[in-house]
Amino acid sequence: QQPVQSPQAVILREGEDAVINCSSSKALYSVHWYRQKHGEAPVFLMILLKGGEQKGHDKISASFNEKKQQSSLYLTASQLSYSGTYFCGTEISRNDMRFGAGTRLTVKP
Amino acid sequence: DAGITQSPRHKVTETGTPVTLRCHQTENHRYMYWYRQDPGHGLRLIHYSYGVKDTDKGEVSDGYSVSRSKTEDFLLTLESATSSQTSVYFCAISVDRGDEQYFGPGTRLTVT
Repeated sequence: QQPVQSPQAVILREGEDAVINCSSSKALYSVHWYRQKHGEAPVFLMILLKGGEQKGHDKISASFNEKKQQSSLYLTASQLSYSGTYFCGTEISRNDMRFGAGTRLTVKP
Repeated sequence: DAGITQSPRHKVTETGTPVTLRCHQTENHRYMYWYRQDPGHGLRLIHYSYGVKDTDKGEVSDGYSVSRSKTEDFLLTLESATSSQTSVYFCAISVDRGDEQYFGPGTRLTVT
Protein backbone atom coordinates (compact mmCIF):
# COMPACT_ATOMS: atom_id res chain seq x y z
CA GLN A 1 0.00 0.00 0.00
CA GLN A 2 1.18 3.48 -0.90
CA PRO A 3 2.54 5.51 2.04
CA VAL A 4 0.93 8.86 2.80
CA GLN A 5 3.05 11.99 2.67
CA SER A 6 2.26 15.33 4.26
CA PRO A 7 2.12 18.12 3.50
CA GLN A 8 1.42 17.83 -0.22
CA ALA A 9 3.17 21.12 -0.84
CA VAL A 10 5.10 23.70 1.15
CA ILE A 11 6.58 27.10 0.33
CA LEU A 12 9.54 28.46 2.29
CA ARG A 13 11.83 31.45 2.32
CA GLU A 14 15.55 30.81 2.23
CA GLY A 15 16.83 29.97 5.69
CA GLU A 16 13.54 28.58 6.98
CA ASP A 17 13.04 25.00 8.16
CA ALA A 18 10.62 22.35 6.96
CA VAL A 19 9.50 18.89 7.97
CA ILE A 20 8.08 16.34 5.55
CA ASN A 21 6.24 13.35 6.95
CA CYS A 22 5.66 9.85 5.62
CA SER A 23 3.35 7.32 7.22
CA SER A 24 2.36 3.76 6.49
CA SER A 25 -0.46 1.56 7.69
CA LYS A 26 1.87 -1.46 7.87
CA ALA A 27 5.00 -2.29 9.80
CA LEU A 28 8.06 -1.12 7.91
CA TYR A 29 11.43 -2.66 7.23
CA SER A 30 12.93 0.58 5.90
CA VAL A 31 12.16 4.06 4.62
CA HIS A 32 13.89 5.70 1.67
CA TRP A 33 13.89 9.40 0.79
CA TYR A 34 14.49 10.84 -2.68
CA ARG A 35 14.35 14.33 -4.19
CA GLN A 36 13.31 15.05 -7.75
CA LYS A 37 13.72 18.33 -9.56
CA HIS A 38 11.36 19.17 -12.39
CA GLY A 39 12.16 17.19 -15.52
CA GLU A 40 14.94 15.24 -13.84
CA ALA A 41 15.41 11.82 -12.28
CA PRO A 42 14.88 11.20 -8.56
CA VAL A 43 18.06 11.44 -6.50
CA PHE A 44 18.78 9.39 -3.39
CA LEU A 45 18.87 11.27 -0.07
CA MET A 46 18.65 8.78 2.77
CA ILE A 47 17.72 5.29 3.93
CA LEU A 48 16.49 4.58 7.45
CA LEU A 49 16.45 0.95 8.47
CA LYS A 50 14.55 -0.88 11.14
CA GLY A 51 16.82 -1.02 14.14
CA GLY A 52 18.19 2.49 13.75
CA GLU A 53 20.78 2.29 11.00
CA GLN A 54 20.86 5.21 8.58
CA LYS A 55 22.64 5.82 5.32
CA GLY A 56 22.64 9.13 3.53
CA HIS A 57 23.92 12.64 3.11
CA ASP A 58 25.47 14.51 6.02
CA LYS A 59 23.34 17.61 5.50
CA ILE A 60 20.04 15.73 5.52
CA SER A 61 18.48 14.44 8.71
CA ALA A 62 15.51 12.18 9.20
CA SER A 63 13.82 10.08 11.81
CA PHE A 64 12.08 6.71 11.72
CA ASN A 65 9.52 5.77 14.34
CA GLU A 66 9.13 2.01 13.90
CA LYS A 67 6.22 1.73 16.32
CA LYS A 68 4.17 4.36 14.52
CA GLN A 69 5.35 3.36 11.03
CA GLN A 70 6.31 6.97 10.40
CA SER A 71 9.31 8.82 9.10
CA SER A 72 10.08 12.52 8.95
CA LEU A 73 12.60 14.38 6.80
CA TYR A 74 14.07 17.53 8.32
CA LEU A 75 15.26 20.33 6.06
CA THR A 76 16.99 23.06 8.04
CA ALA A 77 18.19 26.45 6.90
CA SER A 78 16.71 25.77 3.48
CA GLN A 79 18.50 26.88 0.34
CA LEU A 80 17.14 27.56 -3.14
CA SER A 81 18.66 24.25 -4.26
CA TYR A 82 16.36 22.37 -1.88
CA SER A 83 13.40 23.05 -4.15
CA GLY A 84 11.88 19.98 -5.73
CA THR A 85 9.52 17.13 -5.00
CA TYR A 86 10.41 14.81 -2.14
CA PHE A 87 9.34 11.19 -2.21
CA CYS A 88 9.42 8.63 0.52
CA GLY A 89 9.59 4.95 -0.30
CA THR A 90 8.58 2.39 2.27
CA GLU A 91 9.54 -1.26 2.39
CA ILE A 92 7.17 -3.61 4.13
CA SER A 93 9.58 -6.40 3.39
CA ARG A 94 12.77 -6.53 1.35
CA ASN A 95 10.75 -7.49 -1.71
CA ASP A 96 8.16 -4.74 -1.76
CA MET A 97 8.81 -0.98 -1.84
CA ARG A 98 6.07 1.59 -2.44
CA PHE A 99 6.54 5.32 -3.02
CA GLY A 100 4.36 8.11 -1.72
CA ALA A 101 2.75 10.68 -4.01
CA GLY A 102 5.37 13.28 -3.13
CA THR A 103 5.71 16.62 -1.35
CA ARG A 104 6.46 19.64 -3.51
CA LEU A 105 8.87 22.01 -1.78
CA THR A 106 9.46 25.52 -3.11
CA VAL A 107 12.14 27.72 -1.60
CA LYS A 108 11.95 31.40 -2.47
CA PRO A 109 14.64 34.07 -2.06
CA ASP B 1 26.65 10.16 -11.34
CA ALA B 2 25.78 6.49 -11.77
CA GLY B 3 26.17 5.33 -15.36
CA ILE B 4 22.60 4.71 -16.42
CA THR B 5 21.14 5.55 -19.80
CA GLN B 6 17.67 5.07 -21.19
CA SER B 7 16.56 4.95 -24.79
CA PRO B 8 14.63 6.39 -26.38
CA ARG B 9 14.19 9.51 -24.25
CA HIS B 10 10.93 10.41 -25.94
CA LYS B 11 8.51 8.31 -27.94
CA VAL B 12 5.07 8.81 -29.42
CA THR B 13 3.30 5.68 -30.58
CA GLU B 14 -0.18 4.57 -31.55
CA THR B 15 -2.53 2.37 -29.57
CA GLY B 16 -1.96 -1.30 -30.29
CA THR B 17 1.66 -1.05 -31.38
CA PRO B 18 4.49 -2.80 -29.53
CA VAL B 19 7.06 -0.65 -27.78
CA THR B 20 10.40 -1.54 -26.20
CA LEU B 21 12.31 0.71 -23.84
CA ARG B 22 15.94 0.05 -23.02
CA CYS B 23 17.92 0.66 -19.86
CA HIS B 24 21.69 0.33 -19.93
CA GLN B 25 24.05 0.51 -16.94
CA THR B 26 27.82 0.58 -16.64
CA GLU B 27 27.93 0.03 -12.86
CA ASN B 28 27.58 -3.78 -12.86
CA HIS B 29 24.82 -3.54 -10.24
CA ARG B 30 22.83 -6.69 -9.65
CA TYR B 31 19.38 -5.14 -9.30
CA MET B 32 17.54 -3.21 -12.00
CA TYR B 33 14.04 -1.78 -11.85
CA TRP B 34 11.42 -0.26 -14.12
CA TYR B 35 9.05 2.35 -12.67
CA ARG B 36 6.34 4.48 -14.14
CA GLN B 37 5.61 7.96 -12.80
CA ASP B 38 2.20 9.57 -13.07
CA PRO B 39 0.84 12.68 -11.34
CA GLY B 40 -0.62 11.86 -7.93
CA HIS B 41 0.88 8.36 -7.87
CA GLY B 42 4.56 8.94 -7.33
CA LEU B 43 6.72 6.11 -8.63
CA ARG B 44 5.18 2.68 -9.13
CA LEU B 45 7.25 -0.43 -9.68
CA ILE B 46 6.48 -2.36 -12.87
CA HIS B 47 9.10 -5.15 -12.83
CA TYR B 48 12.52 -5.70 -11.39
CA SER B 49 15.47 -7.97 -12.03
CA TYR B 50 17.92 -9.52 -9.60
CA GLY B 51 20.24 -11.03 -12.17
CA VAL B 52 20.54 -12.19 -15.76
CA LYS B 53 17.26 -13.87 -16.72
CA ASP B 54 15.94 -13.38 -13.16
CA THR B 55 12.95 -11.05 -13.03
CA ASP B 56 9.86 -10.54 -10.93
CA LYS B 57 6.66 -8.55 -11.04
CA GLY B 58 6.06 -5.30 -9.28
CA GLU B 59 2.97 -3.39 -8.26
CA VAL B 60 1.69 -2.55 -11.78
CA SER B 61 3.00 -5.29 -14.06
CA ASP B 62 -0.11 -5.97 -16.17
CA GLY B 63 0.50 -5.16 -19.84
CA TYR B 64 4.28 -5.12 -19.46
CA SER B 65 7.02 -7.70 -19.89
CA VAL B 66 10.76 -7.47 -19.28
CA SER B 67 13.93 -9.24 -20.26
CA ARG B 68 17.50 -9.19 -19.03
CA SER B 69 19.92 -11.16 -21.17
CA LYS B 70 23.02 -9.25 -20.02
CA THR B 71 23.91 -7.69 -16.67
CA GLU B 72 24.01 -4.23 -18.20
CA ASP B 73 20.72 -4.23 -20.13
CA PHE B 74 17.12 -4.37 -18.91
CA LEU B 75 14.35 -4.10 -21.50
CA LEU B 76 10.74 -3.15 -20.89
CA THR B 77 8.19 -4.15 -23.52
CA LEU B 78 4.64 -3.03 -23.97
CA GLU B 79 3.23 -5.77 -26.19
CA SER B 80 0.25 -3.70 -27.32
CA ALA B 81 0.41 -0.12 -26.07
CA THR B 82 -2.71 1.51 -24.61
CA SER B 83 -3.42 5.15 -23.78
CA SER B 84 -3.31 4.28 -20.05
CA GLN B 85 0.38 3.47 -20.51
CA THR B 86 1.18 7.07 -21.39
CA SER B 87 3.66 7.96 -18.66
CA VAL B 88 7.24 8.75 -17.79
CA TYR B 89 9.24 5.56 -17.34
CA PHE B 90 12.31 5.44 -15.12
CA CYS B 91 14.89 2.74 -14.86
CA ALA B 92 16.84 2.36 -11.61
CA ILE B 93 19.70 0.24 -10.35
CA SER B 94 20.97 -0.84 -6.95
CA VAL B 95 23.71 -3.03 -5.61
CA ASP B 96 21.26 -5.08 -3.59
CA ARG B 97 17.52 -5.09 -2.93
CA GLY B 98 16.84 -2.46 -0.29
CA ASP B 99 19.94 -0.39 -1.07
CA GLU B 100 19.80 3.12 -2.43
CA GLN B 101 18.58 3.26 -6.00
CA TYR B 102 20.11 5.31 -8.78
CA PHE B 103 17.73 6.43 -11.46
CA GLY B 104 18.16 6.91 -15.18
CA PRO B 105 17.05 10.11 -16.96
CA GLY B 106 13.62 8.72 -17.88
CA THR B 107 11.64 8.05 -21.06
CA ARG B 108 8.52 10.03 -21.82
CA LEU B 109 6.09 7.75 -23.66
CA THR B 110 2.90 9.02 -25.25
CA VAL B 111 0.36 6.55 -26.63
CA THR B 112 -2.17 8.19 -28.95
